[in-house]
Amino acid sequence: DTGVSQDPRHKITKRGQNVTFRCDPISEHNRLYWYRQTLGQGPEFLTYFQNEAQLEKSRLLSDRFSAERPKGSFSTLEIQRTEQGDSAMYLCASSLQSGTNEKLFFGSGTQLSVL
Amino acid sequence: GEDVEQSLFLSVREGDSSVINCTYTDSSSTYLYWYKQEPGAGLQLLTYIFSNMDMKQDQRLTVLLNKKDKHLSLRIADTQTGDSAIYFCAEKTGGYNKLIFGAGTRLAVHP
Repeated sequence: DTGVSQDPRHKITKRGQNVTFRCDPISEHNRLYWYRQTLGQGPEFLTYFQNEAQLEKSRLLSDRFSAERPKGSFSTLEIQRTEQGDSAMYLCASSLQSGTNEKLFFGSGTQLSVL
Repeated sequence: GEDVEQSLFLSVREGDSSVINCTYTDSSSTYLYWYKQEPGAGLQLLTYIFSNMDMKQDQRLTVLLNKKDKHLSLRIADTQTGDSAIYFCAEKTGGYNKLIFGAGTRLAVHP
């Protein structure tokens, strides 16, 4: 399968714990995105990487959130001192930079539940 | 500001056409998209339309864009039970894929 893969699929944690999610984009894609989706809502943009450079962060991404893409391939999203409001589906997506319409491909997401 | 709105629920009979509507506010949108999400899955790109087009057809899917009214619709012909899912409208305004999504329309197809 050469799609976007995310790990884990589900994560249950207690409030105050740290969690880390991983995303493996489609191999030739140089752009990688993190989105967050809460119940009954559409995905909201969190951050974007072009190769290893993080080029934009949403104001939704508080200081407790950090994302990395160290070698321009896989990415990790860490949430420190989790809060119940962090419970959501975290979606990773990737695309290949092009001069015309880039198509964004999403992974199946990591469902986070903070108790 | 940027905002995308959709009706929340649509119920149709199998074999009928479904029409899902969306309005957006950013007149600088370059592309508009329709994504499908099935339970427990990520988003699947169904189709898209460039902002200088007013219609695009792709097999059972027809996208209509009224740029003056900032209104986008997705018509699914001969709707099947496998079309039951949540459909998201999204707009792209920048040079990369920072998309603004609506809240989604849940399509229920009944016999």
